[in-house]
Amino acid sequence: GENVEQHPSTLSVQEGDSAVIKCTYSDSASNYFPWYKQELGKGPQLIIDIRSNVGEKKDQRIAVTLNKTAKHFSLHITETQPEDSAVYFCAACMDSNYQLIWGAGTKLIIKP
Amino acid sequence: DVKVTQSSRYLVKRTGEKVFLECVQDMDHENMFWYRQDPGLGLRLIYFSYDVKMKEKGDIPEGYSVSREKKERFSLILESASTNQTSMYLCASSLTGGGGNTIYFGEGSWLTVV
Repeated sequence: GENVEQHPSTLSVQEGDSAVIKCTYSDSASNYFPWYKQELGKGPQLIIDIRSNVGEKKDQRIAVTLNKTAKHFSLHITETQPEDSAVYFCAACMDSNYQLIWGAGTKLIIKP
Repeated sequence: DVKVTQSSRYLVKRTGEKVFLECVQDMDHENMFWYRQDPGLGLRLIYFSYDVKMKEKGDIPEGYSVSREKKERFSLILESASTNQTSMYLCASSLTGGGGNTIYFGEGSWLTVV
């Protein structure tokens, strides 16, 4: 079955700098890769996703890249701000499968 | 706005008690999920349901059961709570079909079993 590894587990960056979180997946049949952000005391919320027919997707300060050959995808946050501090989860699945397979999460800390 | 509501945010229960965690969604979603979240382990799926009265086991169903009598409501049941079930529980829903749909989460229920 699918397995998703996420690194690093904790990432501390200076406010204004960029942050990159990486995930690898094992099942080449996976074709949907979302990223969720979990703020303190709340449930995770979708922030961006990408499908396997696209190599990169951007939404303002966040972007996701996908390398199907290497089976990894990354979340990029530019010009980080204090409100970016949260736990970020990557996930992977096939559209036909009900179950997302989740990474273990990355705690992003933005230092003032 | 989409809403998944978990009725209890914080619970403290005794070992051996029967525990009910209730979840309601107002989006007419077909799919509903119960996850458990523990530090360093990410989100682990306990059970999911793709229709009323239908349920499927996730990765860690042992010690849990679920009930979905109405489309909008999905309950997680701990038949006999144990200390290793102390955790944060997240309910979620998604529209229909497979995993390519956005999952909407509730705010979580923190359960402590003493």
